Amino acid sequence: EVQLVESGGGLVQPGGSLRLSCAASGFTFSDYWMSWVRQTPGKGLEWVANIKHDGSDKFHVDSVKGRFTISRDNAKTSLYLQMNSLRAEDTAVYYCVRGGSCPDNWGQGTLVTVSS
Amino acid sequence: DIQMTQSPSSLSASVGDRVTITCRASQGIRSDLGWYQQKPGKAPKRLIYTASTLQSGVPSRFSGSGSGTEFTLTISSLQPEDFATYYCLQYNGYPRTFGQGTKVEIK
Repeated sequence: EVQLVESGGGLVQPGGSLRLSCAASGFTFSDYWMSWVRQTPGKGLEWVANIKHDGSDKFHVDSVKGRFTISRDNAKTSLYLQMNSLRAEDTAVYYCVRGGSCPDNWGQGTLVTVSS
Repeated sequence: DIQMTQSPSSLSASVGDRVTITCRASQGIRSDLGWYQQKPGKAPKRLIYTASTLQSGVPSRFSGSGSGTEFTLTISSLQPEDFATYYCLQYNGYPRTFGQGTKVEIK
């Protein structure tokens, strides 16, 4: 059974940093593109970033470019999202998802709240 | 960016009704479109990919059609467990973009 378990969310002040992690199991992690998608009540679902099987290719949406970095460790079957210079508008539930195009499996999500 | 316009934003329907949701892309995306169902407090679940391919395990009352710029998700006979919010997703270009969602409510 595919499992994606996110961690690392929480409350952070504007300008602060957080690192989200996603522990993957139940499939050959190194065979798949992986992505982060976030959801806010106001803006709905937004694709944040994705990364190729071996980490050699990455995409970040313009709204996070230069502030967020997606990475992975295939040996640890884990996906990461380093988030710096956080803003109030980054407040959302962040989902780890399997696939770089039309993801077929989603984690349960981790809530990130940016507020003073 | 490719804009995805979903309609309607909400609808009320009864069990047994046929329901159709539409997604329009701001430019041609071939068949690079998926449909997702989300229930409150849960992650989205993939129903359809490549516009019309049913995800394994998804009931056959769900179907997808379209290509280019216009796509539809049809539920042939609405069941109680189908009351949820539905989203389309285009993956023809970057950034991947979602429709704004259609909430299907009980009439």
